[in-house]
Amino acid sequence: DTAVSQTPKYLVTQMGNDKSIKCEQNLGHDTMYWYKQDSKKFLKIMFSYNNKELIINETVPNRFSPKSPDKAHLNLHINSLELGDSAVYFCASSQYPWRDNTEAFFGQGTRLTVV
Amino acid sequence: QKEVEQNSGPLSVPEGAIASLNCTYSDRGSQSFFWYRQYSGKSPELIMSIYSNGDKEDGRFTAQLNKASQYVSLLIRDSQPSDSATYLCAVKRRALTFGSGTRLQVQP
Repeated sequence: DTAVSQTPKYLVTQMGNDKSIKCEQNLGHDTMYWYKQDSKKFLKIMFSYNNKELIINETVPNRFSPKSPDKAHLNLHINSLELGDSAVYFCASSQYPWRDNTEAFFGQGTRLTVV
Repeated sequence: QKEVEQNSGPLSVPEGAIASLNCTYSDRGSQSFFWYRQYSGKSPELIMSIYSNGDKEDGRFTAQLNKASQYVSLLIRDSQPSDSATYLCAVKRRALTFGSGTRLQVQP
């Protein structure tokens, strides 16, 4: 059973399009995250939700909008896609994020290519 | 200054040798540190976490933390070709803050 699953795994789209990435976790965690990994492998936090409430919103263009219908799901919608949005997007989840010893579990990633 | 810094590598070691991966961080108040391994095209997976100064061992892996020097390291003993991957150092803040990773190549 996959703990954190994302769909789709690959996404190729044209500039200007709108696309969504879905994420689901079956670990019973309260907190979910979206990370972006660029071509240099730098993994950067974008958003975090705790039990459907947005708790982290880093400096991300407002073309990116996360949505959490329940604590097991966190989706990412991107409007007006740009070439610079090409990256691998990882969903992750954790339990008790306020504790120091909490780790994050990652989904398999969605490789987004904007052409 | 980046919050978490790592040498991008590649770090090349022969099979059976000790690989030493290093990481420095800027926030002196950080308390929790993690090492993730990421194979090419795969997701990061946790190898070890460390919270106290000193060494923590788990099998072939040893994490070392020196909060005074703001330095974390990961030693991999008896390196195997299957250890070839990118190793990401992460510091716990509101969420995990990652370095850019060090690529390790273990030569058979």
